[in-house]
Amino acid sequence: GQNIDQPTEMTATEGAIVQINCTYQTSGFNGLFWYQQHAGEAPTFLSYNVLDGLEEKGRFSSFLSRSKGYSYLLLKELQMKDSASYLCAVRKRWQAGTALIFGKGTTLSVSS
Amino acid sequence: DADVTQTPRNRITKTGKRIMLECSQTKGHDRMYWYRQDPGLGLRLIYYSFDVKDINKGEISDGYSVSRQAQAKFSLSLESAIPNQTALYFCATSELGGEAFFGQGTRLTVV
Repeated sequence: GQNIDQPTEMTATEGAIVQINCTYQTSGFNGLFWYQQHAGEAPTFLSYNVLDGLEEKGRFSSFLSRSKGYSYLLLKELQMKDSASYLCAVRKRWQAGTALIFGKGTTLSVSS
Repeated sequence: DADVTQTPRNRITKTGKRIMLECSQTKGHDRMYWYRQDPGLGLRLIYYSFDVKDINKGEISDGYSVSRQAQAKFSLSLESAIPNQTALYFCATSELGGEAFFGQGTRLTVV
């Protein structure tokens, strides 16, 4: 089976930095993705890590440690529009190929 | 126009009825997926397909079936809908090794 854990809710203030952690236990690991989802909308891709280390994309960075089964998403210079759910997803090798398996998501509330 | 289009966007149906959710894409991707999303449970994989006529079960396939008759279309059917299938359903596509692109979702209510 697989287990992907992330905090249910987080709060932060505008301009701050927030780190959303994700731990996973799964066989057939083939990469880790982060998605953003605003209420009632489709998830949108933020970042992807397949090797250990940090990937930076503007205000967003993602880190992966495969040996620890751990990733985090770092959001800098928070804006009100960053209030959303952040979904950690593991790309898993199944019998027929690979597919994304998602954690339950972290709802981030940014206040002024 | 959206690259991944789901129809209908909203649907209310009665227990026991058969219902089909449609997904079409213009991205030219071979891989397509169906997920359902429930509050507190996140996105769960129902079925996925890597090519026309290729069908694979995901995490929660019981009570659902799918059809992939063309590269651009992937439909999800509920043969006999039940209330606990009330959820937000997402279709997604990807190419090999790439990220998934999601449709806008279908909100299904079974009464």
